[in-house]
Amino acid sequence: GAVVSQHPSRVICKSGTSVKIECRSLDFQATTMFWYRQFPKQSLMLMATSNEGSKATYEQGVEKDKFLINHASLTLSTLTVTSAHPEDSSFYICSAGNLADGKSTDTQYFGPGTRLTVL
Amino acid sequence: RKEVEQDPGPFNVPEGATVAFNCTYSNSASQSFFWYRQDCRKEPKLLMSVYSSGNEDGRFTAQLNRASQYISLLIRDSKLSDSATYLCVVNARLNTGFQKLVFGTGTRLLVSP
Repeated sequence: GAVVSQHPSRVICKSGTSVKIECRSLDFQATTMFWYRQFPKQSLMLMATSNEGSKATYEQGVEKDKFLINHASLTLSTLTVTSAHPEDSSFYICSAGNLADGKSTDTQYFGPGTRLTVL
Repeated sequence: RKEVEQDPGPFNVPEGATVAFNCTYSNSASQSFFWYRQDCRKEPKLLMSVYSSGNEDGRFTAQLNRASQYISLLIRDSKLSDSATYLCVVNARLNTGFQKLVFGTGTRLLVSP
């Protein structure tokens, strides 16, 4: 299957700093990328959907000014957690998909996740 | 009410046992259904899609009842390697034509020797 990478895999930062997480599709062009967050013992929650070259669509309750998403190319999307606080500590996972030739595909390929710890 | 509800478990079973997981979803407009597997501290991985006619993949059988908005997963002859959290996932179609996946909280399975 398709490969999606995330970097870094783990980050520990001080409260108030900003953290950037990269999500790359390695062997296909991702027209759409999704960012999820998972707190311990909870389900994955979709934070936002980003389409290449346009603004991200955020889910209700997710602050767009705090979680900045950039999808500048068909292989790269970034999530920046600005002014991180301990409550932002979580497992952040991206997924990537491709709408090719106007056909909708139900397949999303998940990255390995980034574990963020804010001290 | 949660969009996708699952019994969190854990289900503790011996090797070789048959175990069944259930899931209910609230959005009657959902059209695609999946079971994902998630190992501890890892990303979810697609186990199988679920079709109305029911489908089987080796030891795994999935069933869908649209009228009851109910999905099930049956695992036969459990292996130690089946120990994981099983996530019930349904879709909601976005206006871009792509789908949004809605995840249940997962059911944890522990298979012991």
